[in-house]
Amino acid sequence: NAGVTQTPKFRVLKTGQSMTLLCAQDMNHEYMYWYRQDPGMGLRLIHYSVGEGTTAKGEVPDGYNVSRLKKQNFLLGLESAAPSQTSVYFCASRATSGSYREQYFGPGTRLTVT
Amino acid sequence: ILNVEQSPQSLHVQEGDSTNFTCSFPSSNFYALHWYRWETAKSPEALFVMTLNGDEKKKGRISATLNTKEGYSYLYIKGSQPEDSATYLCAFMGNFNKFYFGSGTKLNVKP
Repeated sequence: NAGVTQTPKFRVLKTGQSMTLLCAQDMNHEYMYWYRQDPGMGLRLIHYSVGEGTTAKGEVPDGYNVSRLKKQNFLLGLESAAPSQTSVYFCASRATSGSYREQYFGPGTRLTVT
Repeated sequence: ILNVEQSPQSLHVQEGDSTNFTCSFPSSNFYALHWYRWETAKSPEALFVMTLNGDEKKKGRISATLNTKEGYSYLYIKGSQPEDSATYLCAFMGNFNKFYFGSGTKLNVKP
């Protein structure tokens, strides 16, 4: 039982390049979230999904796209990376039903855009 | 943009001191308030999830209270230990299962 995993752990991109971050969970959770973490700003929600095949925008969605083709996977894409997207990205999952359910976080992906 | 504020930003205490932090959030469209503990080089881990006004939760030396009418939650640590050193995050759950995090309180406990 691995919980929530993220691939890759680190990545350096040049401005304009594209990449996809993969989040996988083995807890059969319905909800999945992508956050970015910047110094002094806490975690900000980029996109989230309430079930397979569904996605929705969070607080800071611009410049990112997501897909949830399989229940266990949530992909975050950067089509044309910008230096402002240098950040640590965290994925989280959460069981369905009940506002009392906590989030389980992955280990994070550190992305640098030069 | 929904505002969740935590204070203080950082705290330095001696081993054995008791301490507390505050999380302020909107009092409308409230579904839940989460507290997470985040150690350096690790992922955030849930401490408490509170949903009802007046909720009090306890786990060992750590406890939390919730006031949804005035929009605040307190986290208390009794007899701080060096292993309590971490960043403590609160997260407000609003409509559509969306979460809004505070920027955290970084606690450093000196032996």
